[in-house]
Amino acid sequence: DGGITQSPKYLFRKEGQNVTLSCEQNLNHDAMYWYRQDPGQGLRLIYYSQIVNDFQKGDIAEGYSVSREKKESFPLTVTSAQKNPTAFYLCASSMVGSTDTQYFGPGTRLTVL
Amino acid sequence: SQQGEEDPQALSIQEGENATMNCSYKTSINNLQWYRQNSGRGLVHLILIRSNEREKHSGRLRVTLDTSKKSSSLLITASRAADTASYFCATGSGGSYIPTFGRGTSLIVHP
Repeated sequence: DGGITQSPKYLFRKEGQNVTLSCEQNLNHDAMYWYRQDPGQGLRLIYYSQIVNDFQKGDIAEGYSVSREKKESFPLTVTSAQKNPTAFYLCASSMVGSTDTQYFGPGTRLTVL
Repeated sequence: SQQGEEDPQALSIQEGENATMNCSYKTSINNLQWYRQNSGRGLVHLILIRSNEREKHSGRLRVTLDTSKKSSSLLITASRAADTASYFCATGSGGSYIPTFGRGTSLIVHP
């Protein structure tokens, strides 16, 4: 899992609540990403950020929000507007360049009760 | 959007056998990567092959790339129970530095 940490490992939420997933990296990477993983669907990109104070929507951004106030941190908030939030969430980081290699955190499993 | 599609979806073999997984994609790529994911964990980068390369090796891993067929294969030789995991291909194309992941192949190696 390299130099990326995610917390918590497991998270339970009641319907209608917002929750924030933490992602921190000490790899000095400029780019950070959030993915959602559902069984049989691979990884889907939620948001990504190339630089501090800037981020872009991915393929499934609706119901999610992010911030990038520090290079090391890229928290993801799952809002009550997300209709089906139960999933495994993965954070990744990379150098911005031609190699595209991503380094992943251990993931957070979110369950909505 | 998903570009790479792995085949087969699931593979079950005995320890010591070779495991071959394939990845097909639709549009031109700059590079293709393979990642491994153990159950309930994050992905780990295995190998990257560029569009001008045909074959790469890393330990027991051998990756080939055929750009004319838009396909890649990952061969794990002399498999071990510890190789049990899901394997994903990810393609990099155009000006984007963000790889596009396939749905993965689930490999089970029986001891």
